[in-house]
Amino acid sequence: RKEVEQDPGPFNVPEGATVAFNCTYSNSASQSFFWYRQDCRKEPKLLMSVYSSGNEDGRFTAQLNRASQYISLLIRDSKLSDSATYLCVVNTRSGGGADGLTFGKGTHLIIQP
Amino acid sequence: ETGVTQSPTHLIKTRGQQVTLRCSSQSGHNTVSWYQQALGQGPQFIFQYYREEENGRGNFPPRFSGLQFPNYSSELNVNALELDDSALYLCASSLDFGSYEQYFGPGTRLTVT
Repeated sequence: RKEVEQDPGPFNVPEGATVAFNCTYSNSASQSFFWYRQDCRKEPKLLMSVYSSGNEDGRFTAQLNRASQYISLLIRDSKLSDSATYLCVVNTRSGGGADGLTFGKGTHLIIQP
Repeated sequence: ETGVTQSPTHLIKTRGQQVTLRCSSQSGHNTVSWYQQALGQGPQFIFQYYREEENGRGNFPPRFSGLQFPNYSSELNVNALELDDSALYLCASSLDFGSYEQYFGPGTRLTVT
């Protein structure tokens, strides 16, 4: 099983719809989880951290399911500007900082007018 | 914007040559990490620098080396370039070596022919 796994998509979703995608991780000891957004040919940008109790930031909701070892990202009322690749990031090793992180390959989201 | 800058933006090199990429970290951040992102993949951790010393390394050969300077800026050097080194090279700064939150620069796109 890969350390961090995502469905690459693309997810084609009409504007205004709700879309959700998951990311699975293999290390049950992982403690820190993040979603990054990456626009085409640009750098990744931190979208949100994922907390144990789940967290929400405007139209975005992130959830963690430790029992099944996955995190999810839900986008409500999707906008054209939400079109991007969403990278799942998990600390898969005990190394401090970046050394402990593994990035997924990303899920490509296309919002259609 | 994150305040992390990288130079150059694009670079074309020939197999066997050497390349140096540069990065300036965000103000207040003392840790710099380097990543390689091939097309369609997530960023792969190369190494992390903290207080001018390498503080964690991913699965990259010794021909990938780096430096960090007293002002926290950093260089990535790659010797004996191979075709597979063609990728987007991302620099990320973080508040401290143990911090998982990465703030990326715009990247340097390296093409090896």
